[in-house]
Amino acid sequence: SQQGEEDPQALSIQEGENATMNCSYKTSINNLQWYRQNSGRGLVHLILIRSNEREKHSGRLRVTLDTSKKSSSLLITASRAADTASYFCATAPYGGSQGNLIFGKGTKLSVKP
Amino acid sequence: DADVTQTPRNRITKTGKRIMLECSQTKGHDRMYWYRQDPGLGLRLIYYSFDVKDINKGEISDGYSVSRQAQAKFSLSLESAIPNQTALYFCATSVRDEAFFGQGTRLTVV
Repeated sequence: SQQGEEDPQALSIQEGENATMNCSYKTSINNLQWYRQNSGRGLVHLILIRSNEREKHSGRLRVTLDTSKKSSSLLITASRAADTASYFCATAPYGGSQGNLIFGKGTKLSVKP
Repeated sequence: DADVTQTPRNRITKTGKRIMLECSQTKGHDRMYWYRQDPGLGLRLIYYSFDVKDINKGEISDGYSVSRQAQAKFSLSLESAIPNQTALYFCATSVRDEAFFGQGTRLTVV
């Protein structure tokens, strides 16, 4: 089945640095979303970017979408220790059951104080 | 109180036992989902429901069944639990493609 693939699987940085995570997917989409998961807890929605958008910002988050390459990136600027979590991309397939999100395997981000 | 509540939060059960995981939501959303999370595999969709009369199988429905008792309630059953169903289970609701997750149920089948 279609699934987003995040890259890298794990990322370790120092506080204050920027963190970039990438997501690739396989088929056309209506939108792509990024979620955050603190260890063992439920996922929390961060940001949604529609297929006709190329870039979106929310606070320290910047998301880009390149539909020609079927890829997206999530940039967290000026990272903090509290940003330590796993980050997942999720795609809403074009023509698929509306609201049926397909999740990737996630990037585990560790921000060291 | 959480908008999406899962019970129990943790459960250990024996192989062959029937177990039900419950989910209730106060968000008023029609769409509800059950996902399973395994280390290194991300989230995989088990079942989803777009309203009380609409139930759909997801990617990995074998060995599971669901019941949508009301708009606010969506339960997941394992009729005869097996060890490879040990995982973290999440219920979610959605509106306009944004999903809202419960805190998860950690299920261990021994």
